Amino acid sequence: AQSVTQPDIHITVSEGASLELRCNYSYGATPYLFWYVQSPGQGLQLLLKYFSGDTLVQGIKGFEAEFKRSQSSFNLRKPSVHWSDAAEYFCAVGSNNDMRFGAGTRLTVK
Amino acid sequence: DTEVTQTPKHLVMGMTNKKSLKCEQHMGHRAMYWYKQKAKKPPELMFVYSYEKLSINESVPSRFSPECPNSSLLNLHLHALQPEDSALYLCASSGPGRSSYEQYFGPGTRLTVT
Repeated sequence: AQSVTQPDIHITVSEGASLELRCNYSYGATPYLFWYVQSPGQGLQLLLKYFSGDTLVQGIKGFEAEFKRSQSSFNLRKPSVHWSDAAEYFCAVGSNNDMRFGAGTRLTVK
Repeated sequence: DTEVTQTPKHLVMGMTNKKSLKCEQHMGHRAMYWYKQKAKKPPELMFVYSYEKLSINESVPSRFSPECPNSSLLNLHLHALQPEDSALYLCASSGPGRSSYEQYFGPGTRLTVT
């Protein structure tokens, strides 16, 4: 069965600092991987996705993620965090008409 | 247009009420989803409609009744809910083919059961 683990429940970074949010997945075949962001009381917005090909994917709002098959990881990065990036971030693994989310990482920007 | 709309934004209902949540998309997507999200938790899948047919029901209590009148519209009918059903209800849709793996979410309906 597919599953996603986000090891960090809460991360605090200073504005302007770099950010890395961790995500590990478990899936038998080639995974389809996603990062979503959710502001309080809002829906989920897709930041980026990985289906195949280049393992470094670029997303919206200056985010990128790197797929590492050997480590079963799909970590999200941003070189310089803005206060508006404070939100909940969910990593997800998808298959046809099914998506499983990690527990989420709450980002606080100070 | 990558928008999924949901109405109402907020809903307060008593345990004996009947209400409905509505979700709409005009992206030509053929799969639509209902999720339930409790505070500080990830979304939990409730139902999946594929080509207007219910394809996944994640053992949701019968007091939640989904309906897909057409490919653009998804409803969730609520009846005799319990206070623990209070949550954010999210609708999502995904396109045909490879795009079926990529879900677009609406802003959600915040439901409070009193």
